[in-house]
Amino acid sequence: SQTIHQWPATLVQPVGSPLSLECTVEGTSNPNLYWYRQAAGRGLQLLFYSVGIGQISSEVPQNLSASRPQDRQFILSSKKLLLSDSGFYLCAWSESGGSPLHFGNGTRLTVT
Amino acid sequence: GDSVTQMEGPVTLSEEAFLTINCTYTATGYPSLFWYVQYPGEGLQLLLKATKADDKGSNKGFEATYRKETTSFHLEKGSVQVSDSAVYFCALTPSGGSYIPTFGRGTSLIVHP
Repeated sequence: SQTIHQWPATLVQPVGSPLSLECTVEGTSNPNLYWYRQAAGRGLQLLFYSVGIGQISSEVPQNLSASRPQDRQFILSSKKLLLSDSGFYLCAWSESGGSPLHFGNGTRLTVT
Repeated sequence: GDSVTQMEGPVTLSEEAFLTINCTYTATGYPSLFWYVQYPGEGLQLLLKATKADDKGSNKGFEATYRKETTSFHLEKGSVQVSDSAVYFCALTPSGGSYIPTFGRGTSLIVHP
């Protein structure tokens, strides 16, 4: 069966520090991969999605970047964190367009 | 563009009460429709889905019917439990192979004993 791993679960970082969040999927190949942010108030904001290795689409221009160095690995990064980057970050995958998304357990990021 | 509108929460119910969470959508063609549930501190989980008009998705006592004529996908449960307390998201993925789903803003459900 397929599983998704996302880490760390919680992270406290000072303003101006770098960020790296990692997500890996097991049990499937060539998944679509997504990074979402969920701020207080529950709404989901799509940050990046990828349909293949090295193919990254950005939905919201901001302080973050994403990379997909391997088929089932998706990394969210920042060179310098801002206070506004605080939130709950969710990685997800799907088999194809139109398929349901499967989410990781999320990373709670607090920028101080 | 596509959009999903959910009723504002929180929805507060007593245990064993009937639940309805309204969801309407705007999309071209025939999107697939989903309900996801998010328990506190966790990621979203797929609750149920429907891929064509008049399909009924069901899981764990929850049901939703894909109504093309009213562009709706309302979530229902006949008797809620305290353990159903969570945030519920309605979502669609468009037809035509697009990879980008559209989510509603979520509806918080609180069930009291």
